[in-house]
Amino acid sequence: KNEVEQSPQNLTAQEGEFITINCSYSVGISALHWLQQHPGGGIVSLFMLSSGKKKHGRLIATINIQEKHSSLHITASHPRDSAVYICAVEGASGSRLTFGEGTQLTVNP
Amino acid sequence: ETGVTQSPTHLIKTRGQQVTLRCSSQSGHNTVSWYQQALGQGPQFIFQYYREEENGRGNFPPRFSGLQFPNYSSELNVNALELDDSALYLCASSFPAGGGETQYFGPGTRLLVL
Repeated sequence: KNEVEQSPQNLTAQEGEFITINCSYSVGISALHWLQQHPGGGIVSLFMLSSGKKKHGRLIATINIQEKHSSLHITASHPRDSAVYICAVEGASGSRLTFGEGTQLTVNP
Repeated sequence: ETGVTQSPTHLIKTRGQQVTLRCSSQSGHNTVSWYQQALGQGPQFIFQYYREEENGRGNFPPRFSGLQFPNYSSELNVNALELDDSALYLCASSFPAGGGETQYFGPGTRLLVL
């Protein structure tokens, strides 16, 4: 079993839909990161969370430390949101990241 | 733009050869981590350097080695290349090394081993 599990693996939505991607982890962490990877490989950091909730534009990330679970929500999805979304956790002893397998999101117009 | 650059962008090598990949971090970022991402998978941690010293290593053999320089650049060296080394190699920088910091990723180097 991987230390970081994401669901779903693939997600197809229509423009305007509300999207949720889930992440569960099995280790103690100091922070959880949500990242976006576009075709070609570049990775962009969306959020870093250690508790509660963060919002940036149409993106919202939440974390429940007790349940070892985080969600990434996208409101009013748009085709330009199509990308791979990756959850990664940071252990207690430094900035090394352990990644989930990623969720491939496709938003159709 | 994350301010982190990597070179080259693409590279083709043959089995048994050696390769050096380069990463240039943002000024002041004294921590750099290297990751290997096979096709369709999440990145895997190779190692991390903090102030020019190795600061943690993942499950990779010794033929994967690295260096970090005072000018915030770093290298990943892979000796005796194998077919399974074909992957996207990413570096990520941050400051400082205590954890809980935003990671800034480079665009990656795509390595193909034939």
